[in-house]
Amino acid sequence: KQEVTQIPAALSVPEGENLVLNCSFTDSAIYNLQWFRQDPGKGLTSLLLIQSSQREQTSGRLNASLDKSSGRSTLYIAASQPGDSATYLCAGSDSGGFKTIFGAGTRLFVKA
Amino acid sequence: DAGVTQSPTHLIKTRGQQVTLRCSPKSGHDTVSWYQQALGQGPQFIFQYYEEEERQRGNFPDRFSGHQFPNYSSELNVNALLLGDSALYLCASSFYQYTGELFFGEGSRLTVL
Repeated sequence: KQEVTQIPAALSVPEGENLVLNCSFTDSAIYNLQWFRQDPGKGLTSLLLIQSSQREQTSGRLNASLDKSSGRSTLYIAASQPGDSATYLCAGSDSGGFKTIFGAGTRLFVKA
Repeated sequence: DAGVTQSPTHLIKTRGQQVTLRCSPKSGHDTVSWYQQALGQGPQFIFQYYEEEERQRGNFPDRFSGHQFPNYSSELNVNALLLGDSALYLCASSFYQYTGELFFGEGSRLTVL
């Protein structure tokens, strides 16, 4: 049974800092790994998708990596801004994308 | 290009009632998944529909049922509502034969009194 854990649960940093959010999963047979952003009371916005054959994806100030052998993914945010304040969720899907399991998220607060 | 749309956005029900939530997938998508998100938690997988059939189901009781229509839109039905069913219900769409990337709607906030 796939379980996804995110550390830390909450994080507060000053503006401009580079930061790393961690995601670990128990089943290395994970197919896709997707990172999302969620603002309070809102839906999820897809940030990055790392497909089965990939190890890394980048979009702007965001970089996500995936290491299936160690069961870990990291989301790197460069030069954080107050607008980055949100909850960040990682999710792993099984082969075929039938089921996607989410972590509980990391609540990020970037102070101006 | 319309994204995933859900309705209603908010609703209040009482214990024992039934509720139907609706979802229209992103244009070009053929697969719809439903999630329940309690406050402060990550989304929990309820089930997934493809070709009008339930393809996979999470650990939810039979009170939770769904349907997918020929135009790929979907409904989530919850019977005999309990206080614990209060949550944000999220719909996600994807294209089965492609990357499996999920795109979410804004959700339906259900409050059970």
